[in-house]
Amino acid sequence: DAGITQSPRHKVTETGTPVTLRCHQTENHRYMYWYRQDPGHGLRLIHYSYGVKDTDKGEVSDGYSVSRSKTEDFLLTLESATSSQTSVYFCAISERGYEQYFGPGTRLTVT
Amino acid sequence: DQQVKQNSPSLSVQEGRISILNCDYTNSMFDYFLWYKKYPAEGPTFLISISSIKDKNEDGRFTVFLNKSAKHLSLHIVPSQPGDSAVYFCAADLGGATNKLIFGTGTLLAVQP
Repeated sequence: DAGITQSPRHKVTETGTPVTLRCHQTENHRYMYWYRQDPGHGLRLIHYSYGVKDTDKGEVSDGYSVSRSKTEDFLLTLESATSSQTSVYFCAISERGYEQYFGPGTRLTVT
Repeated sequence: DQQVKQNSPSLSVQEGRISILNCDYTNSMFDYFLWYKKYPAEGPTFLISISSIKDKNEDGRFTVFLNKSAKHLSLHIVPSQPGDSAVYFCAADLGGATNKLIFGTGTLLAVQP
């Protein structure tokens, strides 16, 4: 299995608070991605990175920002959490660009 | 506008029989297709893929078929086993430098013993 960890694995936070999720890889893969999974929507891309300090938006990027200062870490920040951001968040990595390997997920609840 | 569609939210089959999961897409520029399997409380895991220049790819019990004229792909699992019970996502890649995948909404497969 690819070495991907996500932290925290579970989090409950209040509306309006900032939240940062961390994805850490030990595979030295170039590409990293953040997805959210919601019923009826499958997996939707939030942001992705194609190298250190190189990031771009996905299809549901509003309300989210990312940073990648090291190859191994990709951070997802909710600047001011809303109830609509209650979801399961997955990080993924890839090297060749096709098969993406996913982390175990973070379940975020915004009350 | 959903570019990758899985119209069956769920599927139930008997152990030992064939499971067929379907996926339709709208963008003829997709050049690579993948299937992922997901168990509850775990991340998706890559299962099998197919390039747009092929019409079939086989890996053990899993076979993916691609019909480009119909913009349709399917995953066949033969024989189905109870451990195959999971959510299956199909995904498509436009290729190029973005390396982004577009996922379908998933199909929950239940294999009955």
